[in-house]
Amino acid sequence: AQSVAQPEDQVNVAEGNPLTVKCTYSVSGNPYLFWYVQYPNRGLQFLLKYITGDNLVKGSYGFEAEFNKSQTSFHLKKPSALVSDSALYFCAGSGAGSYQLTFGKGTKLSVIP
Amino acid sequence: GAVVSQHPSRVICKSGTSVKIECRSLDFQATTMFWYRQFPKQSLMLMATSNEGSKATYEQGVEKDKFLINHASLTLSTLTVTSAHPEDSSFYICSAQDSPDTEAFFGQGTRLTVV
Repeated sequence: AQSVAQPEDQVNVAEGNPLTVKCTYSVSGNPYLFWYVQYPNRGLQFLLKYITGDNLVKGSYGFEAEFNKSQTSFHLKKPSALVSDSALYFCAGSGAGSYQLTFGKGTKLSVIP
Repeated sequence: GAVVSQHPSRVICKSGTSVKIECRSLDFQATTMFWYRQFPKQSLMLMATSNEGSKATYEQGVEKDKFLINHASLTLSTLTVTSAHPEDSSFYICSAQDSPDTEAFFGQGTRLTVV
């Protein structure tokens, strides 16, 4: 069975500092990996994905993530956090060719002014 | 990016009544849509996979007679919560993809409150 883990329930970072939200995965074969962001009482918004190719993936709003096969990780990063980045972040994964996503439990990011 | 529209965004209903939630893919055809339930401060729990023209596939523990799913066209899936009870109160979210190697697009979610 596949799984996605987000080890941190909450991440606090000062505005302007770099941020990292961690994600590790256990997916058979070549994984498809995604990051989504959720604002209160809203659906999920797509940030970025890794399907194949370059391990460093750049996405929306200045976010990026690095696929690390040896560490089975796909951490989300941003060089300089904004207060407006405060939200709930979900990492998700699926097996190649599968529609079904497995979500991490989510990490609440708080950017402190 | 593609747009998935979910309606209504909020609904309050009386216990024992039924509520229908619609999920539409506005600019692409979705043979497969997904329905999730999200409890406060928790992740998304997959309820069922909705397949166009065939029966939905329900996850273990999800009552198919209570959560009726219909996927009558390539752009519309509906979730009907039948005989709703207060414990059905939750945030329901749908998603759609046009292929496995593209990202899923999510509806805005529906906040259901059963009183």
